[in-house]
Amino acid sequence: QVQLVESGGDLVKPGGSLRLSCTASGFIFSDFYMSWIRQAPGKGLEWISYISSSASSKNYADSVKGRFTISRDNAKNSLFLQMNSLRVEDTAVYYCARYDFWNGYYFDNWGQGTLITVSS
Amino acid sequence: QSALTQPPSASGSPGQSVTISCTGTGSDVGGYDYVSWYQQHPGKAPKLIIYEVIKRPSGVPDRFSGSKSGNTASLTVSGLQPDDEADYHCSSYAGRNNLVFGGGTKLTVL
Repeated sequence: QVQLVESGGDLVKPGGSLRLSCTASGFIFSDFYMSWIRQAPGKGLEWISYISSSASSKNYADSVKGRFTISRDNAKNSLFLQMNSLRVEDTAVYYCARYDFWNGYYFDNWGQGTLITVSS
Repeated sequence: QSALTQPPSASGSPGQSVTISCTGTGSDVGGYDYVSWYQQHPGKAPKLIIYEVIKRPSGVPDRFSGSKSGNTASLTVSGLQPDDEADYHCSSYAGRNNLVFGGGTKLTVL
């Protein structure tokens, strides 16, 4: 079965950097678009980025554009999110999700999430 | 990329039906038939329950149904069961490869 496992969550100071990883199994990772979605404490979900199967296409929400970079390593079945210039408002649980870009723009499988806390 | 509008809460008794709304604009919900819904139990990851407005993934009971009229999408949960108590989130394609979510609705089964 599809499994997505995030890692890299931590407590970081404002202005700091962090790199999240998501390891996939149970499907052909290189065939699928992937995405990162976050959820601030007690809040709704927020889509923040997606990457195409070959990494040729990426997009970001305005709230993270220029600060976050999504990437992937298909040989290692891994998705990454490099987060720079972190702000207090970036505090959230970050989920990686498999993204059905071509058939309806939805997320059909999610990881359990990793918590990022940005605080001085 | 403004968030879609959902009611913060909804409730119903076991066996009843409840409908949760998700209101956007002509640039997202009203402009595309790409609305999806996710169920999230406390401390758990979201789970896809509706996509492309009305479609259900394999394994999702037909008690869950979706619809759309104009700029508002709706999720109806029929025959409420205790395990339906969860947060429900809507999402819509918003053009130019952007996605937008709603603020989430907490469904309570009384």
